[in-house]
Amino acid sequence: GAGVSQTPSNKVTEKGKYVELRCDPISGHTALYWYRQSLGQGPEFLIYFQGTGAADDSGLPNDRFFAVRPEGSVSTLKIQRTERGDSAVYLCASSSTGGATEAFFGQGTRLTVV
Amino acid sequence: ELKVEQNPLFLSMQEGKNYTIYCNYSTTSDRLYWYRQDPGKSLESLFVLLSNGAVKQEGRLMASLDTKARLSTLHITAAVHDLSATYFCAVKNTGTASKLTFGTGTRLQVTL
Repeated sequence: GAGVSQTPSNKVTEKGKYVELRCDPISGHTALYWYRQSLGQGPEFLIYFQGTGAADDSGLPNDRFFAVRPEGSVSTLKIQRTERGDSAVYLCASSSTGGATEAFFGQGTRLTVV
Repeated sequence: ELKVEQNPLFLSMQEGKNYTIYCNYSTTSDRLYWYRQDPGKSLESLFVLLSNGAVKQEGRLMASLDTKARLSTLHITAAVHDLSATYFCAVKNTGTASKLTFGTGTRLQVTL
């Protein structure tokens, strides 16, 4: 596609439920990143994939959060036993390689845990 | 731990005026980015600054980097309403492949 696509654009879930957020990067981009943006804050790094592997998952807040990228393209961020504090906009970005290459961001998924 | 601070957090300015947004960061880095975000929209990449003394300009925006002072500035010249948005600086964490630490953003409002 022309840009990074994230689905759904909005997700409302009940506390304790499981959610999956999907990211479709720009075709051919090997690097993929997930960030989380709380209201009024800058994005916070969660995880970085180079190809299929997670090269840096140091930003995942706890073991309820997990992300996969099985074929090196689409990625899914999975959150188990959601808590109200997980409410935020989850942003995905991709770049042609890692490092200094410009990263292009999707429009995000707004997750609300009620 | 890398910390990135921006100021001001909110800026209201009249059309035609000049102003500067500041981005300070706490540890050495070799890469700094400026992004723009409109409400409900993606982050749009504006500039990538790679070396000390780097200066980049696009239209009414000019960004510079002083790695010794750990400071970047985003200068706005003769502001127009279309520049109203939130501007973020982001700094690459040294020793990581691509992890960025973002500032809290500067919300710019340009009034007529």
